[in-house]
Amino acid sequence: DTEVTQTPKHLVMGMTNKKSLKCEQHMGHRAMYWYKQKAKKPPELMFVYSYEKLSINESVPSRFSPECPNSSLLNLHLHALQPEDSALYLCASSQFNRGTNEKLFFGSGTQLSVL
Amino acid sequence: GQQLNQSPQSMFIQEGEDVSMNCTSSSIFNTWLWYKQDPGEGPVLLIALYKAGELTSNGRLTAQFGITRKDSFLNISASIPSDVGIYFCAGLRNQGGKLIFGQGTELSVKP
Repeated sequence: DTEVTQTPKHLVMGMTNKKSLKCEQHMGHRAMYWYKQKAKKPPELMFVYSYEKLSINESVPSRFSPECPNSSLLNLHLHALQPEDSALYLCASSQFNRGTNEKLFFGSGTQLSVL
Repeated sequence: GQQLNQSPQSMFIQEGEDVSMNCTSSSIFNTWLWYKQDPGEGPVLLIALYKAGELTSNGRLTAQFGITRKDSFLNISASIPSDVGIYFCAGLRNQGGKLIFGQGTELSVKP
């Protein structure tokens, strides 16, 4: 099983709304990632969690707030977003185990529209 | 942010033709990954490469990790319509680190 599950698939929100994106994996992976992707562009890294601790924040605005409740779950809390934040948000996970070859598996993404 | 140089940007080919795309970097990577992405979906991992000079196949796909560790290529043989999509190369220096993506190669296949 190499599945990373993201919900919801689509989300429309106003600039004053608060919403959350969810990501789940049951592969025993200890690194989880949030990426943002605009149409026909490569994914851009936002956050990395390693062993449930935030290890990389790519200078993301505070209106995006990540959370890793446990090793299988990753959330992205959204508040006061701007229309330019509309994008495909991708979650990924990797094993992050010394001695093993690393590879990232992506979920199918949440297509977010901010009105 | 930092990106890999991926070429070509787009390709329009006839069904049955072979396809080749490559990525180059000014920096060394320890891992090269190749992904395919369909519209509105997440990238799907096609091939992973971990050693300089490594040549790996996955069905009609073949990819190589360059000897200098600064480049990689992907070949698709005998293309079919379902090969349509955007192909991304990605380089990784260390576990749990930042995966650097190429700009993508958009492939169109004419039946």
